[in-house]
Amino acid sequence: QSALTQPASVSGSPGQSITISCTGTGSDIGGYNYVSWYQQHPGRAPKLMIYKVSHRPSRVSSRFSGSKSGNMASLTISGLQAEDEGDYYCSSYTASATWVFGGGTKLTVL
Amino acid sequence: EVQLLESGGDLVQPGGSLRLSCAASGFTFGLYAMTWVRQAPGKGLEWVSAISGSGDRIFYADSVKGRFTMSRDNSKNTLYLQMNSLRAEDTAAYYCAIDSAFVDDYGTDVRGQGTTVTVSS
Repeated sequence: QSALTQPASVSGSPGQSITISCTGTGSDIGGYNYVSWYQQHPGRAPKLMIYKVSHRPSRVSSRFSGSKSGNMASLTISGLQAEDEGDYYCSSYTASATWVFGGGTKLTVL
Repeated sequence: EVQLLESGGDLVQPGGSLRLSCAASGFTFGLYAMTWVRQAPGKGLEWVSAISGSGDRIFYADSVKGRFTMSRDNSKNTLYLQMNSLRAEDTAAYYCAIDSAFVDDYGTDVRGQGTTVTVSS
């Protein structure tokens, strides 16, 4: 199972909006509404930010939103804050009844 | 309080074995599928394996198939990962995680802090 494709890095200024893309195939993202997004700060466990494409756990800020179109999923962060800086990973359920992650995107808040 | 606590990580020689545990508390453990995810030093996340709530369905990543065995004891609220024929590339922090159905029921995710496995001679 090949990894999902994410940009290596994205950046934005405080208050701006950014979008991180996650590209897969019809056998993963395109075939199922089981896409998740994780945030990870250095030395910390990953934190679930979005699940089932666009659902947000209760403790996650409404500034985070997820969507999907065809074989590509996206994570949008609006009103960027310094604390949003970190690594972001997408993941998807696959036709093999397994899960696959993206390579990760480093978000820098300028 | 809902909690996951991983343990069992250690330094082991190539070819050796190790068993990781993930102790769950604060929720009905047997209702939810569970997953192991790992992260090699300086690398991204990698899905390792998943098990259904009853334990009758188990799935593995190709990279660990035939070497790792995932299991659970719902009477002890504990998840396991038996790791055999360990290789240097298995060196990673290992995290256990709950299926997203838990997030639907509880509104929030819970994740342990991980346990570190180092395979080296």
